[in-house]
Amino acid sequence: GAVVSQHPSWVICKSGTSVKIECRSLDFQATTMFWYRQFPKQSLMLMATSNEGSKATYEQGVEKDKFLINHASLTLSTLTVTSAHPEDSSFYICSAEEMGSSYNEQFFGPGTRLTVL
Amino acid sequence: GNSVTQMEGPVTLSEEAFLTINCTYTATGYPSLFWYVQYPGEGLQLLLKATKADDKGSNKGFEATYRKETTSFHLEKGSVQVSDSAVYFCALSLREAGNMLTFGGGTRLMVKP
Repeated sequence: GAVVSQHPSWVICKSGTSVKIECRSLDFQATTMFWYRQFPKQSLMLMATSNEGSKATYEQGVEKDKFLINHASLTLSTLTVTSAHPEDSSFYICSAEEMGSSYNEQFFGPGTRLTVL
Repeated sequence: GNSVTQMEGPVTLSEEAFLTINCTYTATGYPSLFWYVQYPGEGLQLLLKATKADDKGSNKGFEATYRKETTSFHLEKGSVQVSDSAVYFCALSLREAGNMLTFGGGTRLMVKP
């Protein structure tokens, strides 16, 4: 149980285009989903926290208009990288917290590697 | 603030060697502690966790004990395998902070046959 999927697993796009990444909890409902960014050989950096039906909370230094997050349902959150540039190339990982869980545990997706040319 | 410090890698071991990866934390409250593993090109997988002092998390031969007195959560394994080669992340979360995870910098483990 507690499986989180991401789609696509990798994407290559041209500079200036927008890319949408989906994060789904497959066998549980997630009130909260988190989006992380990971640079090569570095740790994960939390970008934003999204709660179903409300606006995402962004970490300091993360551009809200650049990284649009929508948490439309209890099983789906999307991250849209708008007008992508090469410096946005990174590994994006989402996680989900199971609704009603007594432990503060997050389940992670497999990640999406974005390459902007 | 909250922070996690873990030993820098890479850690290179021969197969069947004993592994220790140190992890210490600072937290404003009473955190839950986690070890995650990341295999090349993949996302994170929860390896083990502990939610209160003196709890021992264990999985796949790995163990870590929540030491409140030393604010530590060191990862150990008695006999590593080549398949254990990965990056290991220590992390904490606080319910008061919305369960956000704070990660350490990660430690790359390379096990040679």
